[in-house]
This record gives sequence, structure tokens and C-alpha cells, in this order.
Amino acid sequence: SQTIHQWPATLVQPVGSPLSLECTVEGTSNPNLYWYRQAAGRGLQLLFYSVGIGQISSEVPQNLSASRPQDRQFILSSKKLLLSDSGFYLCAWSVRLGRGPNEQFFGPGTRLTVL
Amino acid sequence: AQSVTQPDIHITVSEGASLELRCNYSYGATPYLFWYVQSPGQGLQLLLKYFSGDTLVQGIKGFEAEFKRSQSSFNLRKPSVHWSDAAEYFCAVGPMDSSYKLIFGSGTRLLVRP
Repeated sequence: SQTIHQWPATLVQPVGSPLSLECTVEGTSNPNLYWYRQAAGRGLQLLFYSVGIGQISSEVPQNLSASRPQDRQFILSSKKLLLSDSGFYLCAWSVRLGRGPNEQFFGPGTRLTVL
Repeated sequence: AQSVTQPDIHITVSEGASLELRCNYSYGATPYLFWYVQSPGQGLQLLLKYFSGDTLVQGIKGFEAEFKRSQSSFNLRKPSVHWSDAAEYFCAVGPMDSSYKLIFGSGTRLLVRP
């Protein structure tokens, strides 16, 4: 069966420090991968998605970047964190089929607090 | 542009009472529709999905949803709520012209009174 892992689970970082959040998927190949942010009391905002190694699409201009160095690994990064980067970050994956969207499967999330 | 509206930010029901959470979407054709649930501090879990066929969809944990094309709605229902159903619920739509992205509503937080 497929599983998705995120780490760390929680993170407290000072303003201006770098960030690296990691997401890995097991039990599937060639997935679509997604990064979402969920601010307190808000819905989900799609940040990045990837349909293959090295292929990253950004949905919202921001202080963050994403990379996909391996088929089942998705990394969210920042060179200098801002207070507004605080939130709950969720990674998700979906099967890549020929047409139509497919259900997304979510990881447990990372709670990031920037002080 | 495609959008999803969940008009109720919070809903409180008594344990054992019935539940209906509303979801309306804006799209020119029939989209793919999903309901997810999120417990505090957790990721999202898929409750059910509608792609085509029977407009009444059964999901996990005793939930069901009905797709009504004329009303552009996909409301989630449960006949008898349990205290463990307290969580946040998200409706999502997948446009037919994209293989990649889902559009999520802003969520409805369900509180259950004992």
C-alpha cells in the first residue's frame, strides 16, 4: 500500500532563517506531488505541484521554492523565512492517469512557526 | 473561474442528530467532486468522491453526498453524528480540463455537543 511521510512534524524557526521540509511517498511510481499551506483558520492554498522529476509549477508567487530531486521526493524550501510563512504545510500525491483529476492523498503535515 | 463555496464556517450539532454540510461549485461542466475531513493537527482524509453515475455517493464513516447538477451542489450528509465526527470538512472540485489540481473550499468546522 501507499504511504506518504512528512518531516519534521513541527518546526519553530526564527525570521530570516532557511527552511527545508521534506515529503516522500512509498508504494507508487510517477506520482503527481503537491505542496499546500493552511494558515490558521483558513482553507488550503496550493503552493506548488510537480508532474515529474525536476518539473515544478508554482501557483502563488512567494518566498518559497520547491524541488523534486527524485521521483517520490518533494522538498519545500526557503532561503529566508518571513513571519507570514507560518502555517501548516501539507504534502499530497495523486496517481497520474490519462485524463481528469484524481483524488489526492495527504501526508500528516508539518506545523511551522516563524518567530 | 472555477470555485468552491462552503457557506457555513462553523456548524454545531448534538450527538445523534443528523448533519448536512453544504458545498456549491462554479464550473461550466460536470466536475469531479470530493469531500475530505481533517482532524485537528492532522492531514486530510478522503471521505467520498463523485466522478459520474449515481448521484448519491456513499463514503466512509457513514457519510454520503448527493450531486445535484441543477443546483451546482454536492452536500455532505450523515444521519446520526458521533462525537468523533468533530473535525473540519473540505469540499473540493477537480476541473475536467486539468489532470493535476483540485480546488478546495474554505472548510466547515463541525462541533458536536454531547
